[in-house]
Amino acid sequence: GAVVSQHPSWVICKSGTSVKIECRSLDFQATTMFWYRQFPKQSLMLMATSNEGSKATYEQGVEKDKFLINHASLTLSTLTVTSAHPEDSSFYICSASQKKTGGTEAFFGQGTRLTVV
Amino acid sequence: GESVGLHLPTLSVQEGDNSIINCAYSNSASDYFIWYKQESGKGPQFIIDIRSNMDKRQGQRVTVLLNKTVKHLSLQIAATQPGDSAVYFCAENISGTYKYIFGTGTRLKVLA
Repeated sequence: GAVVSQHPSWVICKSGTSVKIECRSLDFQATTMFWYRQFPKQSLMLMATSNEGSKATYEQGVEKDKFLINHASLTLSTLTVTSAHPEDSSFYICSASQKKTGGTEAFFGQGTRLTVV
Repeated sequence: GESVGLHLPTLSVQEGDNSIINCAYSNSASDYFIWYKQESGKGPQFIIDIRSNMDKRQGQRVTVLLNKTVKHLSLQIAATQPGDSAVYFCAENISGTYKYIFGTGTRLKVLA
């Protein structure tokens, strides 16, 4: 299957600083990428849909000024958590979609564990 | 048996037994479904998918059943192995979009 790479795998940052997470589709072009957030023992919650060359679409309740998304190319989307606080500590996962016969399969990165201290 | 934890329900099965994991989906417009396996600290891994024009699809040791009438999906794992221990999520694709909505997930524990 297609490969999606996420970087970094984990990051620890101080409260008030910003952190950037990268999501790359390595062997296919992804016009659409998604960012999810996952708290311990919970499911993945969609934060935003990232479209190449246009503004991201945020889900209800997600602060667009806090979670900045940039999708500058067909293979790269970035999520920047601005002015991070301890409650932003979570597992952030990106996915990229590739259209195939019979459906639209999504491929996931390995996730980034963010810890804000 | 099945129990509800703090957030994730847990299914415990004996090694070698068959496992059945259930999922209720929410949107009648969803026409494509995927089961994912997620191991601790990792992103979700694709297991098997099914389109809404099918009732059943089989893979290697896994079978997905779809009941559109009651908006229910199940994942059957045959001869469950210790390596199957993980959290399993179903995801529904909203027709005409690339958007996926994930179910609450089920933790599968395989007992030796």
